Amino acid sequence: SQQGEEDPQALSIQEGENATMNCSYKTSINNLQWYRQNSGRGLVHLILIRSNEREKHSGRLRVTLDTSKKSSSLLITASRAADTASYFCATVDNYGQNFVFGPGTRLSVLP
Amino acid sequence: GAVVSQHPSWVICKSGTSVKIECRSLDFQATTMFWYRQFPKQSLMLMATSNEGSKATYEQGVEKDKFLINHASLTLSTLTVTSAHPEDSSFYICSVSPPGEEWNEQFFGPGTRLTVL
Repeated sequence: SQQGEEDPQALSIQEGENATMNCSYKTSINNLQWYRQNSGRGLVHLILIRSNEREKHSGRLRVTLDTSKKSSSLLITASRAADTASYFCATVDNYGQNFVFGPGTRLSVLP
Repeated sequence: GAVVSQHPSWVICKSGTSVKIECRSLDFQATTMFWYRQFPKQSLMLMATSNEGSKATYEQGVEKDKFLINHASLTLSTLTVTSAHPEDSSFYICSVSPPGEEWNEQFFGPGTRLTVL
């Protein structure tokens, strides 16, 4: 079954604004990870949040996890044109058996 | 982060030919590597888990005879798309994780774009 459904599918904002992307999932997880992919390139790991954590920060990134709602959000503050990319969440289930990516959010930051 | 390389970065081939894609883990030895396929504007779909010294584990719906995986060393896994057809055109990406951390952070290669004419 599909895990990690992101929304919105596409997001367009002005430079300097904040961008929020959401990810929902269906089963119990061990951890949830966010990745970034520039067009036609590989993925870059951004942040990992474990099921017993509620919030993590890394530079301009803030990730929250609500296991009761089975959802996570990625906030990018003070966005820059260079943040333009696709962002994917990926969930790892409790057995460490499945590593599943969501459909992704395409973020466009306009200068 | 760890460096993972893929070769080639882009390949164009005729229908019916076979194409080999290499994935190398340059920073650590990887007993496990993962192969993904990504169609345009879509997410990554795990194709198979490559295990050093043993047979790969394929995801449901992925033809093992079509996508041959060889993980002959701790730093190299290859994916061969046999008798490629236009519908196999896609972006193929490999990833590795440090030993014992296969389900934590994964390090991705830059991807290989396959275009089958």
